[in-house]
Amino acid sequence: GAGVSQSPRYKVAKRGQDVALRCDPISGHVSLFWYQQALGQGPEFLTYFQNEAQLDKSGLPSDRFFAERPEGSVSTLKIQRTQQEDSAVYLCASSFTSEFPSNEQFFGPGTRLTVL
Amino acid sequence: GENVEQHPSTLSVQEGDSAVIKCTYSDSASNYFPWYKQELGKRPQLIIDIRSNVGEKKDQRIAVTLNKTAKHFSLHITETQPEDSAVYFCAASINFGNEKLTFGTGTRLTIIP
Repeated sequence: GAGVSQSPRYKVAKRGQDVALRCDPISGHVSLFWYQQALGQGPEFLTYFQNEAQLDKSGLPSDRFFAERPEGSVSTLKIQRTQQEDSAVYLCASSFTSEFPSNEQFFGPGTRLTVL
Repeated sequence: GENVEQHPSTLSVQEGDSAVIKCTYSDSASNYFPWYKQELGKRPQLIIDIRSNVGEKKDQRIAVTLNKTAKHFSLHITETQPEDSAVYFCAASINFGNEKLTFGTGTRLTIIP
């Protein structure tokens, strides 16, 4: 079936603009994660959903970052008043079905955000 | 929280030789250790993983070893091929129920033809 998809793939924002990044997980996957990957670095955890419940948001760098998954499927990561330090690739990953429990996280292609 | 260190940061090997990448973790509660391969501009893809109840796992040319006592795990790639060139990340996860991954800083592997 289809893998994890993300949109847009590329986003250029002027400093101070708000942006919204979308993630479509693999159908039926219970867990959804957002990671931030700076250039030349490993992904860093931002937030975690189990179905529609946001169980961990300890990685969100500031209150300008907000994530939601209202129906337990598609998720949106919103960044308000973007700053240059927000420039990074934002990766979404999903995992775990009740029929096939597994820790494996499947990643989307990412959204490359550039803040000018 | 969990801290994962990875080395080397870059590694060049002749085609056909073996490559070894090592990681250490800090939290003894970690119980799941995946390795991801990321090609330039692409998504991370799982290549192999190991759980804490196993000491070694092999899949064709790729193997992972885990030493729980020392809190380190390693990726071994044998008979390397040009298509193995990529950035490799190790990661650790603490809990089943919140499987957030803590990643290492990555190893850029270059296979020299």
